[in-house]
Amino acid sequence: GAGVSQTPSNKVTEKGKYVELRCDPISGHTALYWYRQSLGQGPEFLIYFQGTGAADDSGLPNDRFFAVRPEGSVSTLKIQRTERGDSAVYLCASSLSGGGNNEQFFGPGTRLTVL
Amino acid sequence: GDSVTQMEGPVTLSEEAFLTINCTYTATGYPSLFWYVQYPGEGLQLLLKATKADDKGSNKGFEATYRKETTSFHLEKGSVQVSDSAVYFCALSDTGANNLFFGTGTRLTVIP
Repeated sequence: GAGVSQTPSNKVTEKGKYVELRCDPISGHTALYWYRQSLGQGPEFLIYFQGTGAADDSGLPNDRFFAVRPEGSVSTLKIQRTERGDSAVYLCASSLSGGGNNEQFFGPGTRLTVL
Repeated sequence: GDSVTQMEGPVTLSEEAFLTINCTYTATGYPSLFWYVQYPGEGLQLLLKATKADDKGSNKGFEATYRKETTSFHLEKGSVQVSDSAVYFCALSDTGANNLFFGTGTRLTVIP
C-alpha cells in the first residue's frame, strides 16, 4: 500500500516568506507527527495530532510555526516569516494510533532552504 | 529530561565484519527503545524495538537488548553486508509520550 507522502520534496524560499508543507499519511492512521531534521542531527519532534486535534505541540519552536489537520487525514505545516535557521528537512510520520510503542512510518521529507 | 547518546560516526567496516553501534539514554520514565535506519535516498524506517528491560529486538540479522541497569540499547550484527550501509538512529519514547526522541545518528559504510 501507499506510504506516507510529502510535498513538495524540495522548497526554496526567501527570508521573510510564508511556506506550507503538506503531508499525506497512511490511510487509516489516526496519529500524525511532524519532525525537523537539521544537517548532521537526528529528527526533532515538532507536533503530534490524534485525529483532527493537536494533542501535543510542545516541540514547535515559536509562534511562526503552525500545523493543521482539519479532516483527520492530510496535514499542513505552515511557517510564517521564514528565517535562515528554519532550513532543514521536515519529516512527517504516521502511526495506526498514538502511544509511544506504535511504529511510526516516515515520509521522505521536504527539504526547506531559506535564502 | 530525555536524551539519547549515540556512538559518533562515521563507521567504516569491511563486509562480514562484526558491527556494534553504542547507544545510551536517559529518561524520566520507563521508555520504549528503538533503532531506526535511513538507507541512501530513502525515508526513515523502523529496524527493531524493545519495550521493557531485558527484551531483545531483532530484525534482518540486527539485534539490540534493552539494558535498564546500564541504560543502554547497543545495536549489533554479526556479519555486515554492503547493503547495510546507511545511517542508524537510536530513539526512545518515554512513558506517556507519543513522540520519539532521537540520537544524532551513526553513518555506517560497508566496503566489499
